[in-house]
Amino acid sequence: DVKVTQSSRYLVKRTGEKVFLECVQDMDHENMFWYRQDPGLGLRLIYFSYDVKMKEKGDIPEGYSVSREKKERFSLILESASTNQTSMYLCATLTGISTDTQYFGPGTRLTVL
Amino acid sequence: KQEVTQIPAALSVPEGENLVLNCSFTDSAIYNLQWFRQDPGKGLTSLLLIQSSQREQTSGRLNASLDKSSGRSTLYIAASQPGDSATYLCAVKTDSNYQLIWGAGTKLIIKP
Repeated sequence: DVKVTQSSRYLVKRTGEKVFLECVQDMDHENMFWYRQDPGLGLRLIYFSYDVKMKEKGDIPEGYSVSREKKERFSLILESASTNQTSMYLCATLTGISTDTQYFGPGTRLTVL
Repeated sequence: KQEVTQIPAALSVPEGENLVLNCSFTDSAIYNLQWFRQDPGKGLTSLLLIQSSQREQTSGRLNASLDKSSGRSTLYIAASQPGDSATYLCAVKTDSNYQLIWGAGTKLIIKP
């Protein structure tokens, strides 16, 4: 089974702090994604990566950056956290564009005070 | 721009009932549609995937249908059980790349 892990289940940070969310997968998948999930809005794509050191902006990249130095690890960075970034953050992986099933981590619920 | 809607946002039914969850989309030119399940504190799990050329897919007590012309998909759950309690999300893929367009989900509660 594919295993996708996220570094924290719950995180509380202060406004202005730099925040790192880590995602690690164990199945050698090329593609990794970061979503945020808010009540009533569904999942929205922040960034995705299709290879090491490669990244593409999703629908809502503002205020975020990403890093993928190794194939198994994809990091989401909030350079200066703001209260409107309080949300559930979900990481997902996909073996290839021609396949369709994304595998998700358990999520990190981030609260910015 | 493709939009995906799930109504109702929440649903509570007694155990044993058959039920239908709804998903509608605005643009019929889709590549495929997936149904996912999300349990509290856990990530999403893919339940069923319907390609644009298919009308339905079945897995155990679950049956998903797709009507592209009307922009609708339904997830039918037979003989519901308390373990079916979760949030169910549908997602539409609009072309052959990675992007999924998500509904906001229906929170299902099955009462014992």
